[in-house]
Amino acid sequence: GAVVSQHPSRVICKSGTSVKIECRSLDFQATTMFWYRQFPKQSLMLMATSNEGSKATYEQGVEKDKFLINHASLTLSTLTVTSAHPEDSSFYICSTRGEASVRYNEQFFGPGTRLTVL
Amino acid sequence: AQSVTQPDIHITVSEGASLELRCNYSYGATPYLFWYVQSPGQGLQLLLKYFSGDTLVQGIKGFEAEFKRSQSSFNLRKPSVHWSDAAEYFCAVDSWGKLQFGAGTQVVVTP
Repeated sequence: GAVVSQHPSRVICKSGTSVKIECRSLDFQATTMFWYRQFPKQSLMLMATSNEGSKATYEQGVEKDKFLINHASLTLSTLTVTSAHPEDSSFYICSTRGEASVRYNEQFFGPGTRLTVL
Repeated sequence: AQSVTQPDIHITVSEGASLELRCNYSYGATPYLFWYVQSPGQGLQLLLKYFSGDTLVQGIKGFEAEFKRSQSSFNLRKPSVHWSDAAEYFCAVDSWGKLQFGAGTQVVVTP
């Protein structure tokens, strides 16, 4: 499978600040990247889908002005949590999908970023 | 609407014993099905996938899963569990280009 990295792995920030999380596809060109959020002991919830060079498509209930997604290249997508609040504390996971995987929607996941907002 | 159900929230199994995790899906067409494993604090690792063909699918780490259309199930099995198999397991189905995940099953392995 493909190798996906995320940076940072953990971040603690103060309420009101913004945090940027990077997702990199290390060994193939990811035409599509996905961002998920996972609360403790719960499943993954899709937040948004981004295609390289296009605006992200957000799931219902996800604030696009709060969770800014940029997919500027085939190997990098970023998620910026703006004006973070304690309720934004969560585990954020990205995944990638290349052209060869489109038909079956096979995704490769990053290790996740633990965000804690104080 | 498509859905994925993992009936067992938590399973405890002895090391060396067999393991079976249940997954049921609701989907109108032939589903693309996946099983992922998540170790504490980690992202998801793909164990196996089913797209078509042979309904018994072999995966990594000694896992296998069987697709049964008549039962709308895709259960995951392992004949002999190792302590390192303790983790959270997620079943997922492709739903119009998006992965829909089940709630997950936490597997605890006892000595």
